[in-house]
Amino acid sequence: ETGVTQTPRHLVMGMTNKKSLKCEQHLGHNAMYWYKQSAKKPLELMFVYSLEERVENNSVPSRFSPECPNSSHLFLHLHTLQPEDSALYLCASSQELYNEQFFGPGTRLTVL
Amino acid sequence: DAKTTQPTSMDCAEGRAANLPCNHSTISGNEYVYWYRQIHSQGPQYIIHGLKNNETNEMASLIITEDRKSSTLILPHATLRDTAVYYCIVRVAWGYRGNQFYFGTGTSLTVIP
Repeated sequence: ETGVTQTPRHLVMGMTNKKSLKCEQHLGHNAMYWYKQSAKKPLELMFVYSLEERVENNSVPSRFSPECPNSSHLFLHLHTLQPEDSALYLCASSQELYNEQFFGPGTRLTVL
Repeated sequence: DAKTTQPTSMDCAEGRAANLPCNHSTISGNEYVYWYRQIHSQGPQYIIHGLKNNETNEMASLIITEDRKSSTLILPHATLRDTAVYYCIVRVAWGYRGNQFYFGTGTSLTVIP
């Protein structure tokens, strides 16, 4: 595997479910990011990790919980989501904090 | 970071050069111009960036005016696979807390057969 991978690519969940999105980067980068992209809206930065430390949390509701166990892996744990949380969730990584970012293919999330 | 202005949409004939403009009249001396693109429902893809000299790579060329208030991304021979939203972003190059990439609404380029 090369680049940034994300699993699953598609996810449908009910509002009471708990699920997790996974991101893995194979680039040896030190920073990782979660973005949300709702329909016809610009990308919104959600969380930023640098060397496994969370450095940004852009007013994201607590029903989204990130985890970065090491510099190659990033998770987004989801619980009691709302239908308006349906969106494309993108993971990215960069060599250093906020340098050029390389994005994964995204997870298309639908909350019923 | 300086703001950018891009046309909402553009068309380009397949095989022709696609020229995507970006205005950044309030750019600071230490801010770079970055271009990314996003093909439908995929993650954004880095294309190119530059400070004041023109830049070229295997994907595109970046032409920055002498006063740096505007730039043009050139795809020399557009293909149908170049149909995407193109984002022009200006920011200082080095990373520090809060120095995000702000992806606006970009230019939706449609390459026509």
